[in-house]
Amino acid sequence: AQSVTQLGSHVSVSEGALVLLRCNYSSSVPPYLFWYVQYPNQGLQLLLKYTSAATLVKGINGFEAEFKKSETSFHLTKPSAHMSDAAEYFCAVSGGNQGGKLIFGQGTELSVKP
Amino acid sequence: NAGVTQTPKFQVLKTGQSMTLQCAQDMNHNSMYWYRQDPGMGLRLIYYSASEGTTDKGEVPNGYNVSRLNKREFSLRLESAAPSQTSVYFCASSEVGGRVGKLFFGSGTQLSVL
Repeated sequence: AQSVTQLGSHVSVSEGALVLLRCNYSSSVPPYLFWYVQYPNQGLQLLLKYTSAATLVKGINGFEAEFKKSETSFHLTKPSAHMSDAAEYFCAVSGGNQGGKLIFGQGTELSVKP
Repeated sequence: NAGVTQTPKFQVLKTGQSMTLQCAQDMNHNSMYWYRQDPGMGLRLIYYSASEGTTDKGEVPNGYNVSRLNKREFSLRLESAAPSQTSVYFCASSEVGGRVGKLFFGSGTQLSVL
């Protein structure tokens, strides 16, 4: 079975500060990993995905994530937070004979202070 | 460019009532999904359809039924609504399955069961 754990349901940073959102996964097969973002009153949209090509993945809006197999982690980072980054972020995993479905983490709400 | 369209956006039901949530996508995607989103629990998969003519249970299928009417449409039915089904429901679609493709989400249906 696959699962994802996001550490911290709420993260608050100052504008211009580093953003670090943590995600650990469990998978019995090589995983595909995703980060999605949800802005208020909207559906989710894909930020970036890891599909075994490169361990450092770059996404939209300056976000990136690094796949670390030894730590079973896929943390999301952005060097400098912007007010527009305030949203909820979800880590998700897919893999094996799962019919293509994603298993999502609990979500981390990011607040950005001016 | 509509993408994934869900109707209705809001609904209030009384316990025991039934209703169908409608979802349609115009991207010619093979796979479609229904998720529910609850605070602190992330998104949980209710049902999915890997391709036209097939449906499978996800993590939380009890109390729901689905119909893949054609390639475009995937509906979710609550036969006898319960307060535990109060949630935000999201429909999503993907081209080749979530493992390698990306999910496109609708804007959600906020359902309250009294």
